[in-house]
Amino acid sequence: TQLLEQSPQFLSIQEGENLTVYCNSSSVFSSLQWYRQEPGEGPVLLVTVVTGGEVKKLKRLTFQFGDARKDSSLHITAAQPGDTGLYLCAGEGGSTLGRLYFGRGTQLTVWP
Amino acid sequence: EPEVTQTPSHQVTQMGQEVILRCVPISNHLYFYWYRQILGQKVEFLVSFYNNEISEKSEIFDDQFSVERPDGSNFTLKIRSTKLEDSAMYFCASIRTGPGELFFGEGSRLTVL
Repeated sequence: TQLLEQSPQFLSIQEGENLTVYCNSSSVFSSLQWYRQEPGEGPVLLVTVVTGGEVKKLKRLTFQFGDARKDSSLHITAAQPGDTGLYLCAGEGGSTLGRLYFGRGTQLTVWP
Repeated sequence: EPEVTQTPSHQVTQMGQEVILRCVPISNHLYFYWYRQILGQKVEFLVSFYNNEISEKSEIFDDQFSVERPDGSNFTLKIRSTKLEDSAMYFCASIRTGPGELFFGEGSRLTVL
């Protein structure tokens, strides 16, 4: 089993602040995906990072994959109340396409 | 936009009863999955299905669980004799081809009493 430790579990910040969510493992993943999940809904893919050291930007969100492909981070700049939600990281590491190992998630609350 | 649809959205059942959760993956997708999420816990992989057979299953997916693609559109998860600990949100997902984005359905909440 490939474990992904995600931190922090909860994050409560004011609008305009920056934040970083971390996803760490002792295992190497072929890709690392970040999802956002709203209550009562399924996870929705935000980004996939594949190459060690890769950085991807999605508006105010910056995703980074560690050089060794064991860790990843999500950085949000100038957070807004609309960013509130559950953020999940998931690693793809086995031989089966789509077999993901999920972190526990970070519940982000951004206050106006 | 094409989406994965799941029914029912919520099912309540008695322990020991059989449950079938249904999914309609996106029409041109080839790889199908079931994941589950117990309240407050991680999303966990159950099973992957390709070319009409299981390609991988987790240790959770014991002989009480089965999957089927009875026709060209539906993908079902059957739990033969439900236990209290089967209470969870069950997500169906699909991929068109690899590597590709995994699309999740909105989930079916199963409550076992």
